[in-house]
Amino acid sequence: DAGVTQSPTHLIKTRGQHVTLRCSPISGHKSVSWYQQVLGQGPQFIFQYYEKEERGRGNFPDRFSARQFPNYSSELNVNALLLGDSALYLCASSSLETQYFGPGTRLLVL
Amino acid sequence: GESVGLHLPTLSVQEGDNSIINCAYSNSASDYFIWYKQESGKGPQFIIDIRSNMDKRQGQRVTVLLNKTVKHLSLQIAATQPGDSAVYFCAESGAGGTSYGKLTFGQGTILTVHP
Repeated sequence: DAGVTQSPTHLIKTRGQHVTLRCSPISGHKSVSWYQQVLGQGPQFIFQYYEKEERGRGNFPDRFSARQFPNYSSELNVNALLLGDSALYLCASSSLETQYFGPGTRLLVL
Repeated sequence: GESVGLHLPTLSVQEGDNSIINCAYSNSASDYFIWYKQESGKGPQFIIDIRSNMDKRQGQRVTVLLNKTVKHLSLQIAATQPGDSAVYFCAESGAGGTSYGKLTFGQGTILTVHP
């Protein structure tokens, strides 16, 4: 079975631009969560979506938004990029409580 | 506020030894804990989980121990192998409300296994 997939794998943007990251959950999983992992730290929770509705939100500015589609895939959008947004963005899918992570998208903001 | 932290940021062991990675958590309402392994350039990989109504759970070569009295979690790896070298994170599952679905991660412990 395919695990969680994310695209793109790497991305380079400049300050002020926006970015869209994509995630496909494990087949049968209806919940998707997004995390930001800065180098040398553990992942920080951004959002969780279940059945296309936002069910949880972390302490991130409104520049961060997300949505979930009828096929349970998800997009994370970040507007007005800052240098500090450079990080590994992880998507996790779950059917119950256990969250399974994808490989992440590494975003570099210059 | 809520936090999950690790006592030891690095751990070096010889191949074949047993490894113990520790984690402290501060939210006494936490009821679900997970250990993840993260190799360089990859996403966290699920290892083992435990609920707060248990104090020990075993998997293949791994054991998780939970001490709710002192809010301490540990991961034991038996017969550690070079392939076990990675960063290990403990994570705590938040309560409901706006924390729904939120995993709070610790800083991570770097495990290095020497052949």
